[in-house]
Amino acid sequence: GPKVLQIPSHQIIDMGQMVTLNCDPVSNHLYFYWYKQILGQQMEFLVNFYNGKVMEKSKLFKDQFSVERPDGSYFTLKIQPTALEDSAVYFCASSSDWGGDEQYFGPGTRLTVL
Amino acid sequence: QQQVRQSPQSLTVWEGETAILNCSYENSAFDYFPWYQQFPGEGPALLIAIRSVSDKKEDGGFTIFFNKREKNLSLHIKDSQPGDSATYFCAASEGGSALGRLHFGAGTQLIVIP
Repeated sequence: GPKVLQIPSHQIIDMGQMVTLNCDPVSNHLYFYWYKQILGQQMEFLVNFYNGKVMEKSKLFKDQFSVERPDGSYFTLKIQPTALEDSAVYFCASSSDWGGDEQYFGPGTRLTVL
Repeated sequence: QQQVRQSPQSLTVWEGETAILNCSYENSAFDYFPWYQQFPGEGPALLIAIRSVSDKKEDGGFTIFFNKREKNLSLHIKDSQPGDSATYFCAASEGGSALGRLHFGAGTQLIVIP
Protein backbone atom coordinates (compact mmCIF):
# COMPACT_ATOMS: atom_id res chain seq x y z
CA GLY A 1 0.00 0.00 0.00
CA PRO A 2 0.92 3.67 0.04
CA LYS A 3 3.93 4.46 2.18
CA VAL A 4 4.78 7.39 4.38
CA LEU A 5 8.49 7.67 5.15
CA GLN A 6 10.04 9.38 8.16
CA ILE A 7 13.61 10.53 8.55
CA PRO A 8 15.46 9.93 10.79
CA SER A 9 14.17 6.86 12.59
CA HIS A 10 15.92 7.90 15.79
CA GLN A 11 17.30 11.25 16.91
CA ILE A 12 19.16 12.01 20.12
CA ILE A 13 19.78 15.63 21.05
CA ASP A 14 20.59 17.77 24.05
CA MET A 15 17.89 19.81 25.71
CA GLY A 16 17.66 23.28 24.26
CA GLN A 17 18.83 22.30 20.79
CA MET A 18 16.67 22.52 17.71
CA VAL A 19 15.45 19.42 15.93
CA THR A 20 13.65 18.90 12.63
CA LEU A 21 11.70 15.75 11.96
CA ASN A 22 11.07 14.96 8.32
CA CYS A 23 8.11 13.25 6.73
CA ASP A 24 7.79 12.15 3.13
CA PRO A 25 4.02 11.77 2.67
CA VAL A 26 2.14 9.66 0.16
CA SER A 27 2.39 11.19 -3.28
CA ASN A 28 -0.57 13.43 -4.14
CA HIS A 29 -1.84 13.52 -0.57
CA LEU A 30 -2.91 16.96 0.58
CA TYR A 31 -3.59 16.56 4.29
CA PHE A 32 -0.71 16.08 6.73
CA TYR A 33 -0.59 15.29 10.42
CA TRP A 34 1.77 14.88 13.34
CA TYR A 35 1.02 12.71 16.36
CA LYS A 36 3.09 12.19 19.49
CA GLN A 37 3.34 8.99 21.50
CA ILE A 38 5.09 8.88 24.83
CA LEU A 39 6.23 5.38 25.79
CA GLY A 40 3.36 3.36 27.22
CA GLN A 41 0.73 5.99 26.43
CA GLN A 42 -1.69 6.52 23.59
CA MET A 43 -0.87 8.41 20.46
CA GLU A 44 -1.95 12.06 20.71
CA PHE A 45 -2.76 14.49 17.94
CA LEU A 46 -0.46 17.47 17.56
CA VAL A 47 -1.43 19.26 14.38
CA ASN A 48 -2.88 18.93 10.91
CA PHE A 49 -1.90 20.90 7.85
CA TYR A 50 -3.60 21.54 4.54
CA ASN A 51 -2.97 23.89 1.66
CA GLY A 52 0.04 25.41 3.35
CA LYS A 53 -1.74 26.16 6.59
CA VAL A 54 -2.25 24.71 10.03
CA MET A 55 -5.89 23.67 10.19
CA GLU A 56 -6.07 22.48 13.76
CA LYS A 57 -3.62 22.06 16.61
CA SER A 58 -3.86 20.59 20.06
CA LYS A 59 -2.66 21.91 23.41
CA LEU A 60 0.42 19.71 22.98
CA PHE A 61 1.50 21.80 19.99
CA LYS A 62 3.52 24.29 22.01
CA ASP A 63 4.85 27.61 20.75
CA GLN A 64 8.23 25.93 20.29
CA PHE A 65 6.72 23.70 17.60
CA SER A 66 6.28 24.63 13.97
CA VAL A 67 5.34 22.78 10.79
CA GLU A 68 5.83 23.49 7.14
CA ARG A 69 6.00 21.86 3.74
CA PRO A 70 8.09 24.10 1.54
CA ASP A 71 7.55 23.60 -2.20
CA GLY A 72 5.93 20.18 -1.88
CA SER A 73 8.99 18.59 -0.33
CA TYR A 74 9.16 17.04 3.12
CA PHE A 75 6.49 17.89 5.66
CA THR A 76 8.54 18.91 8.69
CA LEU A 77 8.04 19.31 12.41
CA LYS A 78 10.55 21.64 14.01
CA ILE A 79 11.02 21.93 17.75
CA GLN A 80 13.08 24.90 18.95
CA PRO A 81 14.18 24.75 21.69
CA THR A 82 13.62 21.16 22.77
CA ALA A 83 12.67 20.16 26.32
CA LEU A 84 13.00 16.87 28.18
CA GLU A 85 9.24 16.26 27.88
CA ASP A 86 9.54 16.30 24.10
CA SER A 87 11.08 12.82 24.23
CA ALA A 88 8.59 10.58 22.43
CA VAL A 89 7.90 8.84 19.15
CA TYR A 90 6.52 11.23 16.57
CA PHE A 91 4.31 9.81 13.85
CA CYS A 92 3.55 11.57 10.62
CA ALA A 93 0.43 10.78 8.62
CA SER A 94 -1.03 11.90 5.33
CA SER A 95 -4.43 11.66 3.72
CA SER A 96 -6.39 12.71 0.69
CA ASP A 97 -10.02 13.61 0.27
CA TRP A 98 -10.55 11.42 -2.75
CA GLY A 99 -10.64 7.65 -3.09
CA GLY A 100 -11.04 7.22 0.66
CA ASP A 101 -9.91 9.43 3.50
CA GLU A 102 -7.76 7.05 5.51
CA GLN A 103 -4.79 8.49 7.37
CA TYR A 104 -1.62 6.64 6.34
CA PHE A 105 1.04 6.60 9.02
CA GLY A 106 4.79 6.54 8.84
CA PRO A 107 6.95 4.29 11.06
CA GLY A 108 7.72 7.11 13.46
CA THR A 109 10.80 9.00 14.61
CA ARG A 110 11.98 8.26 18.13
CA LEU A 111 13.21 11.53 19.66
CA THR A 112 15.33 11.39 22.78
CA VAL A 113 16.10 14.68 24.50
CA LEU A 114 18.90 14.47 27.05
CA GLN B 1 -8.99 13.51 29.86
CA GLN B 2 -8.80 10.27 27.94
CA GLN B 3 -11.58 10.37 25.37
CA VAL B 4 -11.10 6.84 24.03
CA ARG B 5 -10.50 3.88 26.32
CA GLN B 6 -9.54 0.35 25.37
CA SER B 7 -9.64 -2.94 27.20
CA PRO B 8 -8.03 -5.22 27.90
CA GLN B 9 -4.53 -3.79 27.83
CA SER B 10 -3.24 -7.21 26.79
CA LEU B 11 -5.03 -10.27 25.42
CA THR B 12 -3.72 -13.76 24.76
CA VAL B 13 -5.71 -16.25 22.70
CA TRP B 14 -5.03 -19.59 21.06
CA GLU B 15 -4.79 -19.91 17.32
CA GLY B 16 -8.26 -20.34 15.82
CA GLU B 17 -10.09 -18.56 18.65
CA THR B 18 -11.99 -15.29 18.30
CA ALA B 19 -10.24 -12.35 19.93
CA ILE B 20 -12.52 -9.59 21.25
CA LEU B 21 -11.08 -6.13 21.79
CA ASN B 22 -13.16 -3.45 23.46
CA CYS B 23 -13.32 0.30 23.07
CA SER B 24 -15.44 3.03 24.67
CA TYR B 25 -15.58 6.77 24.16
CA GLU B 26 -16.76 9.92 25.90
CA ASN B 27 -17.62 12.39 23.18
CA SER B 28 -21.07 11.92 21.63
CA ALA B 29 -19.93 13.93 18.61
CA PHE B 30 -17.55 11.17 17.52
CA ASP B 31 -18.97 9.51 14.43
CA TYR B 32 -16.06 7.77 12.73
CA PHE B 33 -14.18 4.91 14.39
CA PRO B 34 -11.17 3.32 12.73
CA TRP B 35 -9.21 0.44 14.15
CA TYR B 36 -5.47 0.42 13.47
CA GLN B 37 -3.07 -2.49 13.64
CA GLN B 38 0.54 -1.85 14.55
CA PHE B 39 3.53 -4.19 14.41
CA PRO B 40 6.75 -3.36 16.27
CA GLY B 41 8.88 -0.82 14.43
CA GLU B 42 6.07 0.15 12.06
CA GLY B 43 3.43 2.83 12.00
CA PRO B 44 -0.23 2.02 12.59
CA ALA B 45 -2.12 0.70 9.55
CA LEU B 46 -5.87 0.98 9.09
CA LEU B 47 -7.57 -2.37 9.58
CA ILE B 48 -11.27 -1.57 9.43
CA ALA B 49 -13.48 1.41 10.22
CA ILE B 50 -17.12 2.11 10.99
CA ARG B 51 -19.31 5.18 10.92
CA SER B 52 -21.91 5.80 13.61
CA VAL B 53 -24.83 5.29 11.23
CA SER B 54 -23.98 1.57 11.20
CA ASP B 55 -23.97 -0.95 14.02
CA LYS B 56 -21.83 -3.57 12.34
CA LYS B 57 -19.03 -3.67 9.81
CA GLU B 58 -17.34 -6.78 8.47
CA ASP B 59 -14.19 -7.13 6.44
CA GLY B 60 -12.70 -10.58 6.05
CA GLY B 61 -12.23 -12.05 9.50
CA PHE B 62 -12.58 -8.65 11.22
CA THR B 63 -15.92 -7.37 12.53
CA ILE B 64 -16.77 -4.18 14.39
CA PHE B 65 -19.86 -4.14 16.58
CA PHE B 66 -20.95 -0.62 17.45
CA ASN B 67 -23.37 0.52 20.17
CA LYS B 68 -24.08 4.23 19.85
CA ARG B 69 -26.33 4.41 22.91
CA GLU B 70 -23.72 2.83 25.17
CA LYS B 71 -20.85 4.64 23.41
CA ASN B 72 -18.83 1.53 22.94
CA LEU B 73 -17.62 -0.74 20.19
CA SER B 74 -15.69 -3.95 19.86
CA LEU B 75 -13.42 -5.53 17.32
CA HIS B 76 -13.80 -9.26 16.79
CA ILE B 77 -10.97 -11.11 15.13
CA LYS B 78 -12.29 -14.47 13.99
CA ASP B 79 -10.01 -17.49 13.63
CA SER B 80 -7.02 -15.63 15.08
CA GLN B 81 -3.63 -16.50 13.61
CA PRO B 82 -0.14 -15.93 15.04
CA GLY B 83 0.36 -13.30 12.32
CA ASP B 84 -2.44 -11.29 13.94
CA SER B 85 -0.23 -10.74 16.99
CA ALA B 86 0.12 -6.97 17.14
CA THR B 87 -1.12 -3.92 19.00
CA TYR B 88 -4.59 -2.74 18.04
CA PHE B 89 -5.66 0.85 18.46
CA CYS B 90 -9.21 2.11 18.50
CA ALA B 91 -9.57 5.71 17.36
CA ALA B 92 -12.38 8.19 16.94
CA SER B 93 -13.03 11.44 15.13
CA GLU B 94 -15.80 13.90 14.41
CA GLY B 95 -17.14 15.08 11.09
CA GLY B 96 -17.74 11.63 9.65
CA SER B 97 -14.32 11.24 8.12
CA ALA B 98 -10.70 10.53 8.90
CA LEU B 99 -9.52 13.93 7.65
CA GLY B 100 -9.77 15.51 11.08
CA ARG B 101 -7.84 14.75 14.22
CA LEU B 102 -7.98 11.19 15.46
CA HIS B 103 -8.32 10.48 19.17
CA PHE B 104 -6.56 7.21 19.99
CA GLY B 105 -6.98 4.71 22.77
CA ALA B 106 -3.94 3.29 24.53
CA GLY B 107 -4.10 0.05 22.55
CA THR B 108 -4.60 -3.65 23.17
CA GLN B 109 -1.63 -5.92 22.69
CA LEU B 110 -2.87 -9.17 21.16
CA ILE B 111 -0.83 -12.34 21.37
CA VAL B 112 -1.99 -15.38 19.41
CA ILE B 113 -0.40 -18.62 20.53
CA PRO B 114 0.01 -21.33 17.88
